[in-house]
This record gives sequence, structure tokens and C-alpha cells, in this order.
Amino acid sequence: GAVVSQHPSRVICKSGTSVKIECRSLDFQATTMFWYRQFPKKSLMLMATSNEGSKATYEQGVEKDKFLINHASLTLSTLTVTSAHPEDSSFYICSARGSTSGKGQYFGPGTRLTVL
Amino acid sequence: KQEVTQIPAALSVPEGENLVLNCSFTDSAIYNLQWFRQDPGKGLTSLLLIQSSQREQTSGRLNASLDKSSGRSTLYIAASQPGDSATYLCAVRLRDSGYALNFGKGTSLLVTP
Repeated sequence: GAVVSQHPSRVICKSGTSVKIECRSLDFQATTMFWYRQFPKKSLMLMATSNEGSKATYEQGVEKDKFLINHASLTLSTLTVTSAHPEDSSFYICSARGSTSGKGQYFGPGTRLTVL
Repeated sequence: KQEVTQIPAALSVPEGENLVLNCSFTDSAIYNLQWFRQDPGKGLTSLLLIQSSQREQTSGRLNASLDKSSGRSTLYIAASQPGDSATYLCAVRLRDSGYALNFGKGTSLLVTP
């Protein structure tokens, strides 16, 4: 099956720093990638949708200047949390679908971000 | 706005029992519905995907049904095992939302030996 990886799996940073999270499709070309955020005991909330080579589409209430998304290639999308604050601490999960993915998405293993 | 609700929020059963997890959604104009498994601190594993035109899907001990008109889906797990312990998430893809998914909060399942 299709594999999506995320790096890092866990990151701890100081308040005010920026953190970059990578999402890679390992064995298929991802025409669309999605970034979700999950709070403890809460459902996954879609943050943004990115298509390769174009600007990401952000969901209402998500600050695009704070959560920078780049989808520069068909196998890589990055999420940069700029000037991170403790309230940005969360579990971030990406998913990807390719042109031949049929009707499903493939999810990465997630990145646990802790901002001190 | 699509609301996805999962009941119960948590469930504990002894090994060997058959069990049913419920998912309801408010907007019946869905493209498909998907059940996922999430282990603590991990990503999502897709279990079953049901297209809007389908009534059910089966994989091993898992069976998922879909009643689009009533906005309900169930995940049936037969002969539960301790290894089934995880959080089960239901997600729907709306027809007009592109490929993004709307998730429920999940059901946390514990199967005791």
C-alpha cells in the first residue's frame, strides 16, 4: 500500500521559534496533501489543503501566516509553524492522495509538537 | 457544516465479545465514509472505506455498514481481541468539499484479556 512519512515524529521547541514538519509520499506522487491538527481527545481538524505547485487553501480560522505550507514537489509538503507558542502544541498529521489513489487518502504517522 | 458524531466515546469489553461502534453525520450528501484506527500517539490506519453507493464493506473481522439516508454508519468488530484496543475514528468526505475529510471524535476501545 501507499506509504506516507512524517519528520520529525516528535519535536520540542522554545516559544518564539519556528518549526518545520515534513510530509513525504514514499511510493506515489501526491497531487494533493492535507494537514490536520488533533488536540487530546478531540477529532482531527483540517487545517489546509495543498496542491502541488499552487498555494495552499486554508480552513476558516487557520492563520496562513502562522502555518506556512509549501508543496513544492509531488512527494513533499512542509508545514512550518512560525513563532510557535504553547497553544500551538498539538499532534499534526498529514495525508496525501495521488492521481491514482482512487478514492482514499493515506495518512502519515503524525508529529507531536510541544512548545515550551 | 457537516457534524460527525461517534457513540460511545469509550467502550471496554472482555475479549471475545462482538461489538458495534456507531457514527452519525448530519449532511447526507457524502461521497464516501471511512473508518480508521489510531493507536496512542500514532497516525491513522485506514480500515474500511464505503462509497456513497455502497451499503457495507467487510475486511476480516470488521464489517462497516452505511445508511446514507439516515446519516448513520456502524463498525462491527467480531470476536474482539486485546490487539483491537485503539481509538476508532469515522470520517466522511462531502461531495462538494474536495477530498478533505470530516472526522468524528472517535471511540476509544479497550478489550480486556
